[in-house]
Amino acid sequence: EAQVTQNPRYLITVTGKKLTVTCSQNMNHEYMSWYRQDPGLGLRQIYYSMNVEVTDKGDVPEGYKVSRKEKRNFPLILESPSPNQTSLYFCASRQQGGNTEAFFGQGTRLTVV
Amino acid sequence: EDKVVQSPLSLVVHEGDTVTLNCSYEVTNFRSLLWYKQEKKAPTFLFMLTSSGIEKKSGRLSSILDKKELFSILNITATQTGDSAVYLCAVPGYSSASKIIFGSGTRLSIRP
Repeated sequence: EAQVTQNPRYLITVTGKKLTVTCSQNMNHEYMSWYRQDPGLGLRQIYYSMNVEVTDKGDVPEGYKVSRKEKRNFPLILESPSPNQTSLYFCASRQQGGNTEAFFGQGTRLTVV
Repeated sequence: EDKVVQSPLSLVVHEGDTVTLNCSYEVTNFRSLLWYKQEKKAPTFLFMLTSSGIEKKSGRLSSILDKKELFSILNITATQTGDSAVYLCAVPGYSSASKIIFGSGTRLSIRP
């Protein structure tokens, strides 16, 4: 089954404790992205990747890191989480090109206390 | 700066009503517009529109694109409580097709 898998689905952590949210897709998609979703602000892109070892900042990259060492994986790293990073996070992947839809993971609800 | 604007932000109607959701965009080198439905989980894909004036239809949902006026509408007829969701409009960006710009969404609530 074609899917994007994120882990964990829920996470509560403390300020400053490094964490990683994993994302894996099995569709051999070139493009992968991370979004955060906050009430009233919609989906905002954090980072995106066009292929292995090619990443770029989205609209809200501060406080986040990513890596794309393999085509299927695109982990999101929070080196020192802060309460303003409490949010719902989505990973998405899509095939290369301008006319393809994005497939989303099930989301990770992160709370930083 | 590329942007996607949706209206209304929220809408409450009664079951059986017809609704129209709006999406306008300003995106350099437009290629496609996407509609998603989001319930209490990940967005699910509804439509991709690339050509003006050609209606895409799936059951009670339909959508059309106007590339001259830079907008799209999503229509839902004979609404049901299961249509309650946030509807998102999105456009891939020009600088990189891997960057997708989302509107803030329309929260649709259907009352029985």
